[in-house]
Amino acid sequence: SQQGEEDPQALSIQEGENATMNCSYKTSINNLQWYRQNSGRGLVHLILIRSNEREKHSGRLRVTLDTSKKSSSLLITASRAADTASYFCATDAGTSGSRLTFGEGTQLTVNP
Amino acid sequence: DTAVSQTPKYLVTQMGNDKSIKCEQNLGHDTMYWYKQDSKKFLKIMFSYNNKELIINETVPNRFSPKSPDKAHLNLHINSLELGDSAVYFCASSQRGPYEQYFGPGTRLTVT
Repeated sequence: SQQGEEDPQALSIQEGENATMNCSYKTSINNLQWYRQNSGRGLVHLILIRSNEREKHSGRLRVTLDTSKKSSSLLITASRAADTASYFCATDAGTSGSRLTFGEGTQLTVNP
Repeated sequence: DTAVSQTPKYLVTQMGNDKSIKCEQNLGHDTMYWYKQDSKKFLKIMFSYNNKELIINETVPNRFSPKSPDKAHLNLHINSLELGDSAVYFCASSQRGPYEQYFGPGTRLTVT
């Protein structure tokens, strides 16, 4: 069954606002990763957070991980029109290397 | 330089035909993957190779056969194409272990 579920499925905000996307999963993981996919393009890795980490930052991105609740959130601060894309969480529970299971994704639209 | 490249970018073919998609990475990674993304953007792993050895083989029809001639290349051959095979196929690569993955631009396969 699908590991990750994302919420909301779609989010529309104005430039400059913050965007928060949530991801829930079902089983124990090694790490959780967030990816961005622009329309018609491949996925781009944003952040990897390991199961023993609680928060991680990268530029305007902040990711939290709560393993007790099996959930993660991605916060994009001061959003820009260029942030418009689909955002996916992916859990890695592999025993021999990376084995990602992707969520359904959140479609973020940032209006100028 | 393109890190992960796929050819062709678009593939339109008729039911029953056989087709191949090629993938190459110049990142020096040991592990490569094939994913299928359906029309609802759901992304699912199909296969993974580590240094030419098959390590992940999901429940995929045996009409799909991956081949890795060396660790920089992973090809996907599909026999007897069906309408349901229409999707975007992504190749990805990573270092061996629980690390982020680097995705190619995708191959949009349309079976008519």
